Parts: sequence; C-alpha cells; structure tokens
Amino acid sequence: EAQVTQNPRYLITVTGKKLTVTCSQNMNHEYMSWYRQDPGLGLRQIYYSMNVEVTDKGDVPEGYKVSRKEKRNFPLILESPSPNQTSLYFCASTRTGRLATLGYGYTFGSGTRLTVV
Amino acid sequence: SQQGEEDPQALSIQEGENATMNCSYKTSINNLQWYRQNSGRGLVHLILIRSNEREKHSGRLRVTLDTSKKSSSLLITASRAADTASYFCATVLLQGGSEKLVFGKGMKLTVNP
Repeated sequence: EAQVTQNPRYLITVTGKKLTVTCSQNMNHEYMSWYRQDPGLGLRQIYYSMNVEVTDKGDVPEGYKVSRKEKRNFPLILESPSPNQTSLYFCASTRTGRLATLGYGYTFGSGTRLTVV
Repeated sequence: SQQGEEDPQALSIQEGENATMNCSYKTSINNLQWYRQNSGRGLVHLILIRSNEREKHSGRLRVTLDTSKKSSSLLITASRAADTASYFCATVLLQGGSEKLVFGKGMKLTVNP
C-alpha cells in the first residue's frame, strides 16, 4: 500500500531533550515536506526537500532540523524542544517538486502529536 | 504566507443535503487542490483542478474554478455523516525560485445524521 509512515503517533517529552520524528514513504517520491498544524494558524511548512541531499526552509524552520540522506526517509529533528513546539506534525510527499507545472497531490502521514512540557 | 482562504469557516447540514465550500486565493495559479482531514488525522487529497479546467468531478465531488475571480468551489452532493471533516484548499506559491503548496485554514463541515 502506498503510504507515508510517521512515528511515533504520540510523544510527550521534556524541554531540552532531543527527539526525532521519523517519516518514510514507499512511493519513490522526490518531494517531501514537514508541516505543523496549530489551532487558528492552519498548516505551516517547516522544511521541505526537493530530492536527496536537497533541503530548504519553509515558513517556520526555527528550532527544527531535517536531513534527506535517502529518498524514502525525511526525519524531523528537534535538538532542544521547547513548549512552543507542542503541536500536531505532518510529513507529506509528492511525486515531484515541480508543484506548479506538474501538480500532483500530496500524500500525508497520519501525524505525530507532540507535547513538550 | 496564506494563499487560499475557505468560506464559510464552518458549515452544519443534514445528511442527504449538498454542501458547498468556497476558496479564494490571491495570486495566479496553475492548479488548485482540495483536501479532507478527519479529526486529528492526516490530510487526504481529494481532487486537483488545473487552471485551464473549469469543472471537475470525482464521485460525489464537484469542483469548479474561476480564475478571473480567483476562486474555487467544492460541492459535495448527497452528503453523509462520514463526510464530517475539515476541508482545505491548497495552491502553489512561487517564492524565490522554490515552489510550495500553501493551505488555507480549512473549513469544518458537520453532517448530522
């Protein structure tokens, strides 16, 4: 089944304790992206990756890191989490980064609900 | 950097009725997408309409696009309780050589049995 798999589904952690949220897709998609979703603010892009070893900042990159060493994986790293990073996180992928011209739909993971205390 | 905005923000209807959601956007687009999100779950891609298309159908979904008014509408016919969800429109924003999909804040649809 074609899917984006995120883990963990739920995570409660303490301020400052490094964590990684994993994301893996099995569709050979070039483009992957991380979003956070907060009430009243909608979905905001954190980082995206056009292809292996190519990553770039989205709208809210502060406090996050990503890497894209393999095509299928795009982990989100919080080096020193803070309470304002409590949110619902989504990983998404699509066939190509040429979104405007080729325009394929995104496939989303099921989400990771992160609470930082 | 919001591109699309859904209207109304919330809609409550009875099962069997039609639901219409509107999306307005700001800049020229090549395509516009609609997504559904069940509570707390990942978004699911519903339909994509290109700028040279005026209308598109998929099952009980009908999407229209009016590029002159920079607006799109999503019609769900014969709604079911299972259609209860938030619906988002999304368009591509070109920024500094990169392209990114930007979502509206969403519209909550409640279908009462």
